[in-house]
Amino acid sequence: TQLLEQSPQFLSIQEGENLTVYCNSSSVFSSLQWYRQEPGEGPVLLVTVVTGGEVKKLKRLTFQFGDARKDSSLHITAAQPGDTGLYLCAGAILTGGGNKLTFGTGTQLKVEL
Amino acid sequence: DTGVTQSPTHLIKTRGQQVTLRCSPISGHKSVSWYQQVLGQGPQFIFQYYEKEERGRGNFPDRFSARQFPNYSSELNVNALLLGDSALYLCASTLNLGGGETQYFGPGTRLLVL
Repeated sequence: TQLLEQSPQFLSIQEGENLTVYCNSSSVFSSLQWYRQEPGEGPVLLVTVVTGGEVKKLKRLTFQFGDARKDSSLHITAAQPGDTGLYLCAGAILTGGGNKLTFGTGTQLKVEL
Repeated sequence: DTGVTQSPTHLIKTRGQQVTLRCSPISGHKSVSWYQQVLGQGPQFIFQYYEKEERGRGNFPDRFSARQFPNYSSELNVNALLLGDSALYLCASTLNLGGGETQYFGPGTRLLVL
């Protein structure tokens, strides 16, 4: 069973602070996706990274895929209350003709005024 | 474009009953996957279907079954419901099955088993 561990599990910060969320595994993934989920809703895709070492930026969010395609990080600059939510990383593994996503344990972020 | 849709949005059942959840993928997407998300945890993979064939199965008991129809919509069935089946059930669609394919999620069906 492939496991994706996220850290930290919970994070409560003030508006304007920077933060980094880590996603680590012993497995190699064909791609890795980051999602944000609001209570009672489905995960919303933020980014997909495919190439080892790849860095993608989405406004104040910076995503990095590890060189070995086993880990990833999400960095948020100058966090805002609207960034509050559950952040999930998910690694894609090709298996049996399918493309299965293994989700991380999640990081619950709260940004306060 | 219409995103992934799921029905119903909420459902309350009692132990031992059976439930059917429905999912319509994004137009043109051929693959549908089902996930279970228990409160406070990340989603867990249940099934993946592509072109009406099962392409992947997670570590769930045989009480869970699914199928995909010619129009690529899908149903997830759960028999003999247990309290522990209470969760948010998510459906995700992809265009194909390539390694870099992005899965787009629906809003989910929240199932409560009493």
